[in-house]
Amino acid sequence: DAGITQSPRYKITETGRQVTLMCHQTWSHSYMFWYRQDLGHGLRLIYYSAAADITDKGEVPDGYVVSRSKTENFPLTLESATRSQTSVYFCASSDSRRSETQYFGPGTRLLVL
Amino acid sequence: QKEVEQDPGPLSVPEGAIVSLNCTYSNSAFQYFMWYRQYSRKGPELLMYTYSSGNKEDGRFTAQVDKSSKYISLFIRDSQPSDSATYLCATAGGTSYGKLTFGQGTILTVHP
Repeated sequence: DAGITQSPRYKITETGRQVTLMCHQTWSHSYMFWYRQDLGHGLRLIYYSAAADITDKGEVPDGYVVSRSKTENFPLTLESATRSQTSVYFCASSDSRRSETQYFGPGTRLLVL
Repeated sequence: QKEVEQDPGPLSVPEGAIVSLNCTYSNSAFQYFMWYRQYSRKGPELLMYTYSSGNKEDGRFTAQVDKSSKYISLFIRDSQPSDSATYLCATAGGTSYGKLTFGQGTILTVHP
C-alpha cells in the first residue's frame, strides 16, 4: 500500500544504546522531515532533507543523526539514547518546497529507560 | 517565547456546538498557515491551509488568518464526536521556508 511508513512502531531501549528509527515513503517526495512530539511542546523539527544526500538541522537536532542515501528512506539515529529522548517520533514527507502539505507517518513511540 | 502559541486546552464541548480554536504567531514573515488534525495515536493530517490573510471555508470548517494581529483561527460548526482530536496550527514562510513551525496543539473533545 502506498504511503509513508515508520518502523518500529514501539521501541524500548536503555540509556546509552544506539537506536535507529526507520521511515519509508512511496511517493518519491523530495522533502522529508523528522519531528518529535512531547506534551506541552507540540511537534518540534529535528532534521529535514530536501533531497537525497541533502540534510539540515531543525529546532532540536542534538543527539540525533540522519542520512538520506535514497529518496524514499530517511532513517533517524539516536547515537547514545538519553531519557530526555523518550518521545513520539513522526516522519513526514512533502513534494512542495513550501511544505504546507506534509504527509505524516503513524509515529514511533520510544521509551528510554 | 515560542514562534507559534496555541492554548493546549483541553476543550470539551457538546455535540452541535461551534468550536473556536486559536493561535498567535510572532514572525511577520510567515505567509502560509495550516491546521492539522491528529487523532489519538495517529500522525497529524492536513485539514486546511491558507495563504496570507483571509478566510477559507471547507464544509463545517473555516480557517481565518489576520496578519495584522498575527492571529490564526479555526472554526468548526455543528461539531460532531468524530471531531474529537488534537488540532495543531502551523505556519511557514520567510526564513523558515520549507519548514513548518507548529503550535502546541489543542485537545478537543465533542461529547454526544
